[in-house]
Amino acid sequence: AQTVTQSQPEMSVQEAETVTLSCTYDTSESNYYLFWYKQPPSRQMILVIRQEAYKQQNATENRFSVNFQKAAKSFSLKISDSQLGDTAMYFCAFRASNDYKLSFGAGTTVTVRA
Amino acid sequence: NAGVTQTPKFQVLKTGQSMTLQCAQDMNHEYMSWYRQDPGMGLRLIHYSVGAGITDQGEVPNGYNVSRSTTEDFPLRLLSAAPSQTSVYFCASSRAHEKRAWADTQYFGPGTRLTVL
Repeated sequence: AQTVTQSQPEMSVQEAETVTLSCTYDTSESNYYLFWYKQPPSRQMILVIRQEAYKQQNATENRFSVNFQKAAKSFSLKISDSQLGDTAMYFCAFRASNDYKLSFGAGTTVTVRA
Repeated sequence: NAGVTQTPKFQVLKTGQSMTLQCAQDMNHEYMSWYRQDPGMGLRLIHYSVGAGITDQGEVPNGYNVSRSTTEDFPLRLLSAAPSQTSVYFCASSRAHEKRAWADTQYFGPGTRLTVL
């Protein structure tokens, strides 16, 4: 079974600044995918960014980027130029390449201050 | 194209009552799943299905039943509600035949907040 750990329950950041969320995972799989999901107060789950384990290049989506360290089993999310609309809970998730099931971390609540 | 829909949005039950949470998708997705979200625990998989007539248990299946008679619908049944089942429930769906990360992105419904008294 895979375990996903998010060690920061809450984080606060000033608008326009950068915040980094940490995620570590434990797996014996060699091929897998990693995701960050955003859950704003509306409760809707929104995919922010995804990374394929066999790709060394870190994924980037606009102001969101990841630092994927496969050997360390680490997958952090960096939010640059934070905006008030980034206020949400963020979940790290893992999926083995030969499976459909997602394993989620406990989540990190990010609050962007004006 | 409505995506993934869930009904009801909110529900209050008494201990021992039964009910069905509805989930439907109009994207012709083979894979559908149910998660529950509890504070400090993220989302945990209850049951999932890779196609009509096929279901399997996830991480926390006890107290829940599912069936998949059509591609579109995947209802979750609580047979005898307990206070421990107070949670927010999410249904998700995705394509199943392509396992590349971007090709089978899981789409989530808006969630159902269930309270069991």
